[in-house]
Amino acid sequence: DAKTTQPNSMESNEEEPVHLPCNHSTISGTDYIHWYRQLPSQGPEYVIHGLTSNVNNRMASLAIAEDRKSSTLILHRATLRDAAVYYCILETDKLIFGTGTRLQVFP
Amino acid sequence: DAGVTQSPTHLIKTRGQQVTLRCSPISGHKSVSWYQQVLGQGPQFIFQYYEKEERGRGNFPDRFSARQFPNYSSELNVNALLLGDSALYLCASRRGLQVYEQYFGPGTRLTVT
Repeated sequence: DAKTTQPNSMESNEEEPVHLPCNHSTISGTDYIHWYRQLPSQGPEYVIHGLTSNVNNRMASLAIAEDRKSSTLILHRATLRDAAVYYCILETDKLIFGTGTRLQVFP
Repeated sequence: DAGVTQSPTHLIKTRGQQVTLRCSPISGHKSVSWYQQVLGQGPQFIFQYYEKEERGRGNFPDRFSARQFPNYSSELNVNALLLGDSALYLCASRRGLQVYEQYFGPGTRLTVT
């Protein structure tokens, strides 16, 4: 299974942009890049996904490198409610979660 | 619309016992997947079902089994429980196999003593 590498933790101040990086150097041409987040005591929550082009939705933006070996999840204005563990996942037919990045947001 | 529901919320079992966990997907969702999340780790894929057929299985022993019913709800069974089976068991549903967004339930916290 293709693997992803993420920093263990990141910090941000409220209302500042946050860039969460992910490396996936063994990605195959058919692997979609997914991001999920997990708030404390909850199940994971879908954030965004993409294949080759950058993607935007109401929650975040996903920037994908041209060679697809890395991607960045962008939260445009962090809020306290964005404090969570963020998982970058490559999916073929199942989600393979790594350990994720724990994002702390300070007021 | 109701989200993915799981029952029970919490469960305490003794080593060697058997347990059944239940999941009801979002209405209209035909695919259900099960994940195990040990404390401090990301969820690990156990099974995926679509239209009552197993479509994927993770690296778990045969003590773990599952099934999906005609109404698309699902059960996860674990036999001969071990202490290491203590975890949060998550169910996720999606509309179809080609739909990538999965919706997770709140999970069932299983403690094996």
